[in-house]
Amino acid sequence: DQQVKQNSPSLSVQEGRISILNCDYTNSMFDYFLWYKKYPAEGPTFLISISSIKDKNEDGRFTVFLNKSAKHLSLHIVPSQPGDSAVYFCAASGDDMRFGAGTRLTVKP
Amino acid sequence: KAGVTQTPRYLIKTRGQQVTLSCSPISGHRSVSWYQQTPGQGLQFLFEYFSETQRNKGNFPGRFSGRQFSNSRSEMNVSTLELGDSALYLCASSRSGDSSGANVLTFGAGSRLTVL
Repeated sequence: DQQVKQNSPSLSVQEGRISILNCDYTNSMFDYFLWYKKYPAEGPTFLISISSIKDKNEDGRFTVFLNKSAKHLSLHIVPSQPGDSAVYFCAASGDDMRFGAGTRLTVKP
Repeated sequence: KAGVTQTPRYLIKTRGQQVTLSCSPISGHRSVSWYQQTPGQGLQFLFEYFSETQRNKGNFPGRFSGRQFSNSRSEMNVSTLELGDSALYLCASSRSGDSSGANVLTFGAGSRLTVL
């Protein structure tokens, strides 16, 4: 049961531009949403989270937006840097944590 | 402080064999979760343990099992291995998983299992 979906397997952007990664979910009972970043040969690392009662959370270059009516969240990275190239996983927290399939972001110099 | 440690990092098995993977959580973390990562499928939730009890379970067959010890270390076992079990198995720990805030998981580097 895919409760969390990331429909774009990959995204390529130019350095300095904005990266927008999208995520959809089906379960209205999730209380937190999180983004993780994963480099090859490493485990995912926590990036940013947002409570289901908020619609925006910002941390430096990273901003997460939540649209509860659409069951949609997005991660904005601005400006994008080559070091941001990684796989990004969207996650939703309820009784346990469910992850999307991931989006591979490539930031070109 | 030490992170989440998973052993072994790499292993190769043949169909029909069984395998045991180990996970040592961050000191003070009482919850341990296991995930399977395969290309295109993302991280599939296997199960979560808290205080030696399985608290949640994903949609995997009974060949996949786990346990947690009193020191919070956890093991997962896969019996009668199939080719499709080839994957990266990730362990993650967190403090308690209560509802006081976002339950941030800290992941280990994973155990890559290849079934031939």
